[in-house]
Amino acid sequence: KAGVTQTPRYLIKTRGQQVTLSCSPISGHRSVSWYQQTPGQGLQFLFEYFSETQRNKGNFPGRFSGRQFSNSRSEMNVSTLELGDSALYLCASSLGPEGNYGYTFGSGTRLTVV
Amino acid sequence: AQSVTQLDSQVPVFEEAPVELRCNYSSSVSVYLFWYVQYPNQGLQLLLKYLSGSTLVKGINGFEAEFNKSQTSFHLRKPSVHISDTAEYFCAVSDVEEYGNKLVFGAGTILRVKS
Repeated sequence: KAGVTQTPRYLIKTRGQQVTLSCSPISGHRSVSWYQQTPGQGLQFLFEYFSETQRNKGNFPGRFSGRQFSNSRSEMNVSTLELGDSALYLCASSLGPEGNYGYTFGSGTRLTVV
Repeated sequence: AQSVTQLDSQVPVFEEAPVELRCNYSSSVSVYLFWYVQYPNQGLQLLLKYLSGSTLVKGINGFEAEFNKSQTSFHLRKPSVHISDTAEYFCAVSDVEEYGNKLVFGAGTILRVKS
């Protein structure tokens, strides 16, 4: 079956712009989470969605937001981009919000802010 | 808050030698533990997970890990590595009592397998 699909794979944006990243989870998976990966900070949790509701949120400014649709697909948005937002953004899906399922990760969207 | 320490940032090893990648986590509360591998320009792939039960967990590609509650450790081992095992490995922990799938990751260990 298809894995977690993230689009686009690569993105270049200018400071001050906004960006929307998309994630399609594995069929049947209803929980979607987002992580930011940078060389300096490593992998950091952004937020988790289940049944179209944000269930958990990491320690990121309000410029970072997300949503989940009824088909479990998710988008994350970053407004007023800063150079420090350059990162690999990883989406992960799971059957449900119970922590024992573990995640399946997508290949990520590499965002470069110039 | 949970934290995860991966004690080695890089581990060089010769092909067919054994390897151990070390991971310690901070809290003694009930946790789920995971090891993921990341190849260049790719996402994370789950190697194995500890949820409960037997402390020795076997995963894919010949990897295994041992959960040690008293030492709050979850070290990853492989008896004989291959060139193709060269990648970055991440240990992660999830708090059983906390709702949701939030994972706290270690900083990663780069495994370099030399011929």
